Amino acid sequence: KAGVTQTPRYLIKTRGQQVTLSCSPISGHRSVSWYQQTPGQGLQFLFEYFSETQRNKGNFPGRFSGRQFSNSRSEMNVSTLELGDSALYLCASSFPNRDEQFFGPGTRLTVL
Amino acid sequence: KNQVEQSPQSLIILEGKNCTLQCNYTVSPFSNLRWYKQDTGRGPVSLTIMTFSENTKSNGRYTATLDADTKQSSLHITASQLSDSASYICVVSGSNDYKLSFGAGTTVTVRA
Repeated sequence: KAGVTQTPRYLIKTRGQQVTLSCSPISGHRSVSWYQQTPGQGLQFLFEYFSETQRNKGNFPGRFSGRQFSNSRSEMNVSTLELGDSALYLCASSFPNRDEQFFGPGTRLTVL
Repeated sequence: KNQVEQSPQSLIILEGKNCTLQCNYTVSPFSNLRWYKQDTGRGPVSLTIMTFSENTKSNGRYTATLDADTKQSSLHITASQLSDSASYICVVSGSNDYKLSFGAGTTVTVRA
């Protein structure tokens, strides 16, 4: 069974640009969550999608947005990038009961 | 505010030795507690998941304990190997909203 895949794995952008990251969940998983991980802050929850609807949201500014498609694949978008957005962005998928999440390898975003 | 605190922040051990990581939480009501292992540059991988009624669970050389009364958990690594060098993250799920609270992690370095 294929795991969670994320693309791209690495990304370099400059301040002010926008970026879109993609996540393909494990087959059958309908819940997808996004996290930001930085050395100083650890893992921080961005948002969760289930059946194309945002079900939970963390405390991030509106520059961070996401969506989920009918095949459960999800994208997150960050607009007007700031230096502080440099981080590892992780996607995790699970069955609707959310007992266990499976993480992807992450996308390493560097903002210059 | 629900919190998860891990200690120590980091530790160095010699190959073959044992170590114990601590996780204290204030999440209430409690649903489950998970330990994840995260290798550098990779997504977290689940080691154990424990619910309220479970007080110990093993996964190979990893043994997690849970005391739901004192809201404490520990992860014991037996006969450490170089491949155990990683960050170990404690994650607690509340039963009201299923939101996950993440600890900052403990970085373990195993030296030959």
